[in-house]
Amino acid sequence: DAGVTQSPTHLIKTRGQHVTLRCSPISGHKSVSWYQQVLGQGPQFIFQYYEKEERGRGNFPDRFSARQFPNYSSELNVNALLLGDSALYLCASSRQLGSYEQYFGPGTRLTVT
Amino acid sequence: KQEVTQIPAALSVPEGENLVLNCSFTDSAIYNLQWFRQDPGKGLTSLLLIQSSQREQTSGRLNASLDKSSGRSTLYIAASQPGDSATYLCAHTSGSRLTFGEGTQLTVNP
Repeated sequence: DAGVTQSPTHLIKTRGQHVTLRCSPISGHKSVSWYQQVLGQGPQFIFQYYEKEERGRGNFPDRFSARQFPNYSSELNVNALLLGDSALYLCASSRQLGSYEQYFGPGTRLTVT
Repeated sequence: KQEVTQIPAALSVPEGENLVLNCSFTDSAIYNLQWFRQDPGKGLTSLLLIQSSQREQTSGRLNASLDKSSGRSTLYIAASQPGDSATYLCAHTSGSRLTFGEGTQLTVNP
């Protein structure tokens, strides 16, 4: 079975621009979460979605938004990009809500110049 | 606020050595504890998941333990190999949200 997939792999944007990152979960997984990992740090939780509804949000500004589609894939949107948004953005999927094992995709490396 | 701390931040060992990575967390009311491996610039690979009702999990040369009362988990790697070189992250689960430590960067020298 295919694992979690993310696109694009790498992205370079300019300050003030908008970006959309995409994630497809493992087949049969209904929950998708997004994490931001700045170089040298552990990932930080941004959002969790389950059955197309937001089920959790981390301490990120309103410039960050996300949604989940009927096929359980998800998009992360970031508006008005700042230099500090440069990071590896990771998507994770799990079968259900709750304490199930989470599986991560390869990430999208975003560089803001 | 739940915090997760990993010690040491970096570790360099000769091939064949057994080693222990440490993870501590401030809130004992966790659900699960998950250990991950991350190669440079890559995503996370799940190594072991310890559910709250369990004390340890084993997979091959890896053994992870969980002591909720003391707020600690350890990852034991037996007979280390150069291919084990990576950053190891622990994360606890509160609901479905993972809270990560900053990782231990492991280098195994041939």
